[in-house]
Amino acid sequence: NAGVTQTPKFQVLKTGQSMTLQCAQDMNHNSMYWYRQDPGMGLRLIYYSASEGTTDKGEVPNGYNVSRLNKREFSLRLESAAPSQTSVYFCASSEALRDGGEQFFGPGTRLTVL
Amino acid sequence: KQEVTQIPAALSVPEGENLVLNCSFTDSAIYNLQWFRQDPGKGLTSLLLIQSSQREQTSGRLNASLDKSSGRSTLYIAASQPGDSATYLCAVRLEIGTGTASKLTFGTGTRLQVTL
Repeated sequence: NAGVTQTPKFQVLKTGQSMTLQCAQDMNHNSMYWYRQDPGMGLRLIYYSASEGTTDKGEVPNGYNVSRLNKREFSLRLESAAPSQTSVYFCASSEALRDGGEQFFGPGTRLTVL
Repeated sequence: KQEVTQIPAALSVPEGENLVLNCSFTDSAIYNLQWFRQDPGKGLTSLLLIQSSQREQTSGRLNASLDKSSGRSTLYIAASQPGDSATYLCAVRLEIGTGTASKLTFGTGTRLQVTL
């Protein structure tokens, strides 16, 4: 049981390049999330998916797109990377509320945009 | 808008001390509150989850309490050890209607150092 996995662990991009961050969970959770973590700002929600086939914007969605590929996988895409997107990105999934609603996080992707 | 505050931002204690970390939130209509630990350069590890109907949860040397009406939670760490050094984050989940993904709002964390 790997929990929440993310790839890649590290990435350096040049301004204007695109990339996709991958996330998968093996806990059969319906809900999945993408956060970014910046010094002094805490974790901020980028996008989330309540269930397979649905996605919604979070607090800071500009410059990002997401795809809920299936129940296990939720990807985050940067179409044209900007230095302001330098951050650590975390994927998470959560239990159904009837089961407690505990949220579990992946190890993160450290992205630098030059 | 829910705001979550953690005080202090940083704390250094000698090994063996008992300590309390504080978390406060502005909207008391929460579904649950979760405490996490984050080691440098790592992801978040869930420590304790308290439902809005509960007053406290315990796991080993950790005890988390919740006072929903006053918008406060505390994380008590007994007999601290150097291995407890990490950043501790609290996060609250608001009550949201059935069928929607309810989102977590995070505090900015307390960075704890336990010295020998």
